[in-house]
Amino acid sequence: GAVVSQHPSWVICKSGTSVKIECRSLDFQATTMFWYRQFPKQSLMLMATSNEGSKATYEQGVEKDKFLINHASLTLSTLTVTSAHPEDSSFYICSAPGLAGVGSSYEQYFGPGTRLTVT
Amino acid sequence: DQQVKQNSPSLSVQEGRISILNCDYTNSMFDYFLWYKKYPAEGPTFLISISSIKDKNEDGRFTVFLNKSAKHLSLHIVPSQPGDSAVYFCAAMGMNRDDKIIFGKGTRLHILP
Repeated sequence: GAVVSQHPSWVICKSGTSVKIECRSLDFQATTMFWYRQFPKQSLMLMATSNEGSKATYEQGVEKDKFLINHASLTLSTLTVTSAHPEDSSFYICSAPGLAGVGSSYEQYFGPGTRLTVT
Repeated sequence: DQQVKQNSPSLSVQEGRISILNCDYTNSMFDYFLWYKKYPAEGPTFLISISSIKDKNEDGRFTVFLNKSAKHLSLHIVPSQPGDSAVYFCAAMGMNRDDKIIFGKGTRLHILP
Protein backbone atom coordinates (compact mmCIF):
# COMPACT_ATOMS: atom_id res chain seq x y z
CA GLY A 1 0.00 0.00 0.00
CA ALA A 2 0.90 3.66 -0.06
CA VAL A 3 3.71 4.73 2.23
CA VAL A 4 4.50 8.07 3.79
CA SER A 5 7.85 8.59 5.45
CA GLN A 6 9.07 11.25 7.83
CA HIS A 7 12.57 12.34 8.64
CA PRO A 8 13.93 12.58 11.21
CA SER A 9 12.02 10.26 13.51
CA TRP A 10 13.38 11.97 16.61
CA VAL A 11 15.18 15.26 17.03
CA ILE A 12 16.49 17.12 20.04
CA CYS A 13 17.36 20.78 19.62
CA LYS A 14 18.24 23.74 21.75
CA SER A 15 15.83 26.53 22.43
CA GLY A 16 16.04 29.24 19.78
CA THR A 17 17.18 27.02 16.95
CA SER A 18 15.13 25.89 13.95
CA VAL A 19 14.26 22.34 13.01
CA LYS A 20 13.10 20.99 9.67
CA ILE A 21 10.91 17.91 9.39
CA GLU A 22 10.40 16.20 6.03
CA CYS A 23 7.34 14.29 4.90
CA ARG A 24 7.56 12.19 1.75
CA SER A 25 5.03 10.14 -0.14
CA LEU A 26 7.10 7.23 -1.36
CA ASP A 27 5.05 5.62 -4.10
CA PHE A 28 2.35 8.09 -4.92
CA GLN A 29 1.94 11.78 -5.60
CA ALA A 30 0.28 14.10 -3.14
CA THR A 31 -0.76 17.59 -4.14
CA THR A 32 -2.01 18.02 -0.60
CA MET A 33 -0.43 16.95 2.65
CA PHE A 34 -1.51 17.61 6.19
CA TRP A 35 0.54 18.36 9.28
CA TYR A 36 -0.66 17.38 12.73
CA ARG A 37 0.59 17.83 16.22
CA GLN A 38 -0.18 15.49 19.05
CA PHE A 39 0.11 16.41 22.69
CA PRO A 40 0.21 13.67 25.34
CA LYS A 41 -3.22 12.16 25.95
CA GLN A 42 -4.82 14.45 23.40
CA SER A 43 -6.09 14.09 19.92
CA LEU A 44 -4.24 14.84 16.76
CA MET A 45 -4.54 18.55 16.11
CA LEU A 46 -4.48 19.62 12.50
CA MET A 47 -1.97 22.42 12.12
CA ALA A 48 -2.02 23.17 8.43
CA THR A 49 -2.73 21.93 4.95
CA SER A 50 0.29 21.89 2.69
CA ASN A 51 -0.49 22.60 -0.97
CA GLU A 52 1.93 21.85 -3.77
CA GLY A 53 2.62 24.99 -5.76
CA SER A 54 0.83 27.36 -3.42
CA LYS A 55 0.84 28.63 0.14
CA ALA A 56 -0.08 26.42 3.02
CA THR A 57 -3.40 26.89 4.74
CA TYR A 58 -3.06 27.22 8.50
CA GLU A 59 -5.64 26.33 11.10
CA GLN A 60 -6.82 28.98 13.51
CA GLY A 61 -4.37 29.57 16.29
CA VAL A 62 -1.34 28.15 14.47
CA GLU A 63 1.42 30.71 13.88
CA LYS A 64 2.38 30.53 10.23
CA ASP A 65 5.63 32.43 10.81
CA LYS A 66 6.68 29.93 13.42
CA PHE A 67 5.66 26.77 11.60
CA LEU A 68 6.88 27.23 8.05
CA ILE A 69 5.51 24.79 5.52
CA ASN A 70 6.89 24.26 2.05
CA HIS A 71 5.43 21.78 -0.42
CA ALA A 72 8.45 21.54 -2.69
CA SER A 73 7.23 18.79 -4.99
CA LEU A 74 4.42 16.29 -5.45
CA THR A 75 6.15 13.93 -3.03
CA LEU A 76 7.71 16.22 -0.44
CA SER A 77 6.42 18.63 2.16
CA THR A 78 8.55 20.15 4.90
CA LEU A 79 7.64 21.67 8.24
CA THR A 80 10.19 23.99 9.80
CA VAL A 81 9.75 24.91 13.44
CA THR A 82 11.52 28.24 13.75
CA SER A 83 13.01 29.60 16.96
CA ALA A 84 11.90 26.50 18.80
CA HIS A 85 10.92 26.69 22.45
CA PRO A 86 10.35 23.91 24.99
CA GLU A 87 6.59 24.27 24.58
CA ASP A 88 7.02 23.25 20.94
CA SER A 89 8.13 19.83 22.11
CA SER A 90 5.62 17.41 20.68
CA PHE A 91 4.98 14.60 18.26
CA TYR A 92 4.48 15.90 14.72
CA ILE A 93 2.76 13.73 12.14
CA CYS A 94 2.08 14.28 8.46
CA SER A 95 -0.43 12.61 6.22
CA ALA A 96 -1.37 12.50 2.58
CA PRO A 97 -4.74 11.57 1.12
CA GLY A 98 -4.87 8.48 -1.01
CA LEU A 99 -7.45 6.55 -2.92
CA ALA A 100 -8.42 3.21 -1.47
CA GLY A 101 -10.95 0.97 -3.08
CA VAL A 102 -13.82 2.12 -5.23
CA GLY A 103 -15.97 5.21 -5.06
CA SER A 104 -15.48 7.57 -2.16
CA SER A 105 -13.21 5.28 -0.18
CA TYR A 106 -10.60 7.91 0.53
CA GLU A 107 -8.21 7.46 3.36
CA GLN A 108 -5.27 9.24 4.78
CA TYR A 109 -1.81 7.69 4.80
CA PHE A 110 0.12 8.79 7.82
CA GLY A 111 3.81 9.14 8.34
CA PRO A 112 5.41 7.49 11.36
CA GLY A 113 5.77 10.81 13.13
CA THR A 114 8.65 12.93 14.38
CA ARG A 115 9.26 13.47 18.06
CA LEU A 116 10.67 16.93 18.73
CA THR A 117 12.26 17.71 22.06
CA VAL A 118 13.39 21.28 22.66
CA THR A 119 15.74 21.75 25.58
CA ASP B 1 -16.41 23.16 19.44
CA GLN B 2 -15.60 19.51 19.02
CA GLN B 3 -17.11 18.10 15.85
CA VAL B 4 -16.06 14.53 16.54
CA LYS B 5 -16.46 13.24 20.06
CA GLN B 6 -15.22 10.10 21.73
CA ASN B 7 -16.63 10.37 25.21
CA SER B 8 -14.82 7.38 26.69
CA PRO B 9 -11.13 8.15 27.19
CA SER B 10 -10.40 4.53 28.06
CA LEU B 11 -11.96 1.09 27.89
CA SER B 12 -10.90 -2.26 29.32
CA VAL B 13 -12.10 -5.50 27.77
CA GLN B 14 -11.34 -9.12 28.51
CA GLU B 15 -9.42 -10.96 25.82
CA GLY B 16 -11.81 -12.86 23.57
CA ARG B 17 -14.76 -10.59 24.32
CA ILE B 18 -16.21 -7.86 22.12
CA SER B 19 -14.77 -4.33 22.28
CA ILE B 20 -17.16 -1.54 21.36
CA LEU B 21 -15.79 1.94 20.81
CA ASN B 22 -18.25 4.76 20.31
CA CYS B 23 -18.07 8.04 18.46
CA ASP B 24 -20.49 10.92 17.96
CA TYR B 25 -20.31 13.77 15.50
CA THR B 26 -22.09 17.06 15.10
CA ASN B 27 -21.48 18.14 11.51
CA SER B 28 -24.16 16.76 9.20
CA MET B 29 -21.93 17.54 6.20
CA PHE B 30 -19.53 14.76 7.13
CA ASP B 31 -19.71 12.15 4.42
CA TYR B 32 -17.04 9.64 5.29
CA PHE B 33 -15.93 8.16 8.57
CA LEU B 34 -12.76 6.37 9.52
CA TRP B 35 -11.20 4.57 12.44
CA TYR B 36 -7.49 4.67 13.12
CA LYS B 37 -5.38 2.71 15.55
CA LYS B 38 -2.35 4.26 17.13
CA TYR B 39 0.48 2.84 19.19
CA PRO B 40 2.68 5.16 21.28
CA ALA B 41 5.27 7.12 19.30
CA GLU B 42 3.92 5.88 15.98
CA GLY B 43 1.70 7.44 13.33
CA PRO B 44 -1.92 6.30 13.19
CA THR B 45 -2.74 3.35 10.97
CA PHE B 46 -5.96 3.05 9.09
CA LEU B 47 -8.35 0.37 10.31
CA ILE B 48 -11.69 0.63 8.62
CA SER B 49 -13.97 3.22 7.08
CA ILE B 50 -17.58 3.71 6.15
CA SER B 51 -19.33 5.96 3.69
CA SER B 52 -22.48 7.78 4.72
CA ILE B 53 -24.49 5.76 2.21
CA LYS B 54 -23.91 2.61 4.26
CA ASP B 55 -24.81 1.65 7.79
CA LYS B 56 -22.34 -1.17 8.25
CA ASN B 57 -18.92 -2.16 7.00
CA GLU B 58 -17.09 -5.29 8.06
CA ASP B 59 -13.46 -6.29 7.68
CA GLY B 60 -12.38 -9.39 9.51
CA ARG B 61 -12.66 -8.82 13.25
CA PHE B 62 -13.56 -5.17 12.76
CA THR B 63 -17.04 -3.86 12.04
CA VAL B 64 -18.09 -0.24 11.91
CA PHE B 65 -21.73 0.74 12.32
CA LEU B 66 -23.09 4.12 11.29
CA ASN B 67 -26.35 5.65 12.51
CA LYS B 68 -26.73 8.86 10.51
CA SER B 69 -29.92 10.01 12.19
CA ALA B 70 -28.23 9.81 15.58
CA LYS B 71 -24.88 11.05 14.21
CA HIS B 72 -23.27 8.11 15.89
CA LEU B 73 -20.83 5.44 14.84
CA SER B 74 -19.22 2.57 16.63
CA LEU B 75 -16.35 0.21 16.07
CA HIS B 76 -16.76 -3.41 17.14
CA ILE B 77 -13.76 -5.66 17.56
CA VAL B 78 -14.52 -9.33 18.07
CA PRO B 79 -12.85 -11.30 19.42
CA SER B 80 -10.55 -8.84 21.15
CA GLN B 81 -6.87 -9.75 21.15
CA PRO B 82 -3.91 -8.47 23.19
CA GLY B 83 -2.48 -6.72 20.12
CA ASP B 84 -5.62 -4.63 19.93
CA SER B 85 -4.47 -2.64 22.95
CA ALA B 86 -3.91 0.84 21.52
CA VAL B 87 -5.56 4.21 21.15
CA TYR B 88 -8.38 4.29 18.64
CA PHE B 89 -9.28 7.51 16.87
CA CYS B 90 -12.59 8.12 15.23
CA ALA B 91 -12.36 10.55 12.32
CA ALA B 92 -14.68 12.22 9.86
CA MET B 93 -14.36 14.14 6.64
CA GLY B 94 -16.36 15.61 3.80
CA MET B 95 -16.81 14.05 0.40
CA ASN B 96 -13.77 15.47 -1.35
CA ARG B 97 -10.46 13.67 -1.45
CA ASP B 98 -8.55 16.67 -0.16
CA ASP B 99 -10.96 17.52 2.65
CA LYS B 100 -9.26 17.79 5.99
CA ILE B 101 -9.91 15.03 8.41
CA ILE B 102 -11.30 15.81 11.85
CA PHE B 103 -10.28 13.51 14.68
CA GLY B 104 -11.88 12.68 17.97
CA LYS B 105 -9.73 12.69 21.11
CA GLY B 106 -9.28 8.94 21.02
CA THR B 107 -10.17 6.03 23.26
CA ARG B 108 -7.45 3.96 24.88
CA LEU B 109 -8.37 0.29 24.67
CA HIS B 110 -6.84 -2.16 27.16
CA ILE B 111 -7.26 -5.82 26.42
CA LEU B 112 -7.04 -7.78 29.66
CA PRO B 113 -5.58 -11.31 29.70
